[in-house]
Amino acid sequence: GAVVSQHPSWVICKSGTSVKIECRSLDFQATTMFWYRQFPKQSLMLMATSNEGSKATYEQGVEKDKFLINHASLTLSTLTVTSAHPEDSSFYICSARDHRTGVINEQFFGPGTRLTVL
Amino acid sequence: AQRVTQPEKLLSVFKGAPVELKCNYSYSGSPELFWYVQYSRQRLQLLLRHISRESIKGFTADLNKGETSFHLKKPFAQEEDSAMYYCALSPEAAGNKLTFGGGTRVLVKP
Repeated sequence: GAVVSQHPSWVICKSGTSVKIECRSLDFQATTMFWYRQFPKQSLMLMATSNEGSKATYEQGVEKDKFLINHASLTLSTLTVTSAHPEDSSFYICSARDHRTGVINEQFFGPGTRLTVL
Repeated sequence: AQRVTQPEKLLSVFKGAPVELKCNYSYSGSPELFWYVQYSRQRLQLLLRHISRESIKGFTADLNKGETSFHLKKPFAQEEDSAMYYCALSPEAAGNKLTFGGGTRVLVKP
């Protein structure tokens, strides 16, 4: 159990276009999901916390108008990179927190989405 | 703001040798500390957390509040332990946000 999927696994787009990345919790409900980005040979950096039914909370330095997050249901959060530029090329990873009884404060991670902006 | 430091980017040990991955943190409150592992071509997964005080796959980690450290140890490394290891901190009452260290790559040689 506790599987998180991401779609697509990789995407290449032209500069100026928008890209949507989906994060789904497959077998549990996740009122909270997290979005990270990881540059090559670097650690994961938290971008934002996605809360079902409310606005996302962005970390300092992350442009909320550039990285749109929508958490429309208890099993789906989406990250849209708007007007993507080459510097947005990165590995984007989501995680979901399982709220089942006895399983607290543990995040389950998706496999990541590699975005390349030409 | 909290910070997690993993001073070693790469640890190379022989099979059967002990391995210790260092993790130091800075945070003024009482955080929760985790070790996550990422095997080749796999997603990040939880290895252990300090509140559980358990041994997973032979690994243990003790939270030392005086030294603000949470080092990961295994007395006898195995080849299947080769992976990327990340130490992470979750501040108290912060919605479980995780701050990750830079990661340590462990290579266990036969």
